[in-house]
Amino acid sequence: AQSVTQPDIHITVSEGASLELRCNYSYGATPYLFWYVQSPGQGLQLLLKYFSGDTLVQGIKGFEAEFKRSQSSFNLRKPSVHWSDAAEYFCAVVRGGSQGNLIFGKGTKLSVKP
Amino acid sequence: KAGVTQTPRYLIKTRGQQVTLSCSPISGHRSVSWYQQTPGQGLQFLFEYFSETQRNKGNFPGRFSGRQFSNSRSEMNVSTLELGDSALYLCASRWVSGRSDGEQFFGPGTRLTVL
Repeated sequence: AQSVTQPDIHITVSEGASLELRCNYSYGATPYLFWYVQSPGQGLQLLLKYFSGDTLVQGIKGFEAEFKRSQSSFNLRKPSVHWSDAAEYFCAVVRGGSQGNLIFGKGTKLSVKP
Repeated sequence: KAGVTQTPRYLIKTRGQQVTLSCSPISGHRSVSWYQQTPGQGLQFLFEYFSETQRNKGNFPGRFSGRQFSNSRSEMNVSTLELGDSALYLCASRWVSGRSDGEQFFGPGTRLTVL
């Protein structure tokens, strides 16, 4: 069965430091992968997505993610974190070929120290 | 273009009652999906509607149902509420055509509290 694992429940980084959030997936074929961000009391905002092609994907707000098939990973990175990046981040994979049906990881909460 | 809107934003109900939540998709989006978000289970897919037809359904009991209208607006209903139904219910819409489709855009959610 398809699944998404985000190993880190909570990460704290200093403002200006680099960030990497981990995501591992279980899926038989080439997955459609997403990263979403959720600020407190808000819905989810799409940061970036991977369907095929270049394995390094650029997203909004300076985020990027790299798809590594050999490691079944799709880690999210940002070179310099801003205080406004504090939020919860979710990795997701499409289930059954429909982008309307996503399997989400449990999320990683990011805190940013001044 | 207006985003996905959900009403109401907050609801308090008691066990045994039923509740109806509403979602208005982005103009032109014909697919609407619903998700339940709880601290314990995370984000879980409930169902997806496209052109008034349920396309996919998640692993939820029959107390959870939905429908979609001809204007693509969607409602979900939960009957015989249980304490465990307390959650943030998120609606997402996306553009779908015959050859391709787009990613989901999420609304702000409806926070349901069951007492």
